[in-house]
Amino acid sequence: DQQVKQNSPSLSVQEGRISILNCDYTNSMFDYFLWYKKYPAEGPTFLISISSIKDKNEDGRFTVFLNKSAKHLSLHIVPSQPGDSAVYFCAASASAGGTSYGKLTFGQGTILTVHP
Amino acid sequence: GAGVSQSPSNKVTEKGKDVELRCDPISGHTALYWYRQSLGQGLEFLIYFQGNSAPDKSGLPSDRFSAERTGGSVSTLTIQRTQQEDSAVYLCASKSLAWETQYFGPGTRLLVL
Repeated sequence: DQQVKQNSPSLSVQEGRISILNCDYTNSMFDYFLWYKKYPAEGPTFLISISSIKDKNEDGRFTVFLNKSAKHLSLHIVPSQPGDSAVYFCAASASAGGTSYGKLTFGQGTILTVHP
Repeated sequence: GAGVSQSPSNKVTEKGKDVELRCDPISGHTALYWYRQSLGQGLEFLIYFQGNSAPDKSGLPSDRFSAERTGGSVSTLTIQRTQQEDSAVYLCASKSLAWETQYFGPGTRLLVL
């Protein structure tokens, strides 16, 4: 039972264009969502997050959109750069519920390749 | 300040041996998490420590896995009688009480032969 899904295993984008990475979730208790970027042989690096009380959060080239009714979030990268090439993970947590507070549930990841 | 550190960075062991993996969280972070990423898989939650509360062990895959957090800081994940399916990258993350974001270490790559 995968509660967080990234249905696109890979995405290829031209430098300068927009990259859109998508994520769907099933657990309505999730109220905090994060995107991490991961290079090979390194740990995940935090990119951007959003609370369920918002529908958009922007940080430089990165914007995360949350559609609670659809249980869907997306990460937009504009403009895309070759250095953005990495695996992107979407993650979710629920703030309520005993000792599981803050535990992250991850999607399977999307490999983004930005071509020069 | 320093980020989350983990040691060793790589560990090769023989099936049946015990291994210990160490995590040093960011100073002042009260919450500490262990995850693992098996080949071709996403990140899977293992265990969570928050202050002096009882840890959430709901993600540990078997009783061969255990973890401790001494003095509210350093944590050790122990895998007894390792099996080949334990081969994975073991990641540690920490979080402050005030913020929701978890910060990850570089991971320990475990290979069980």
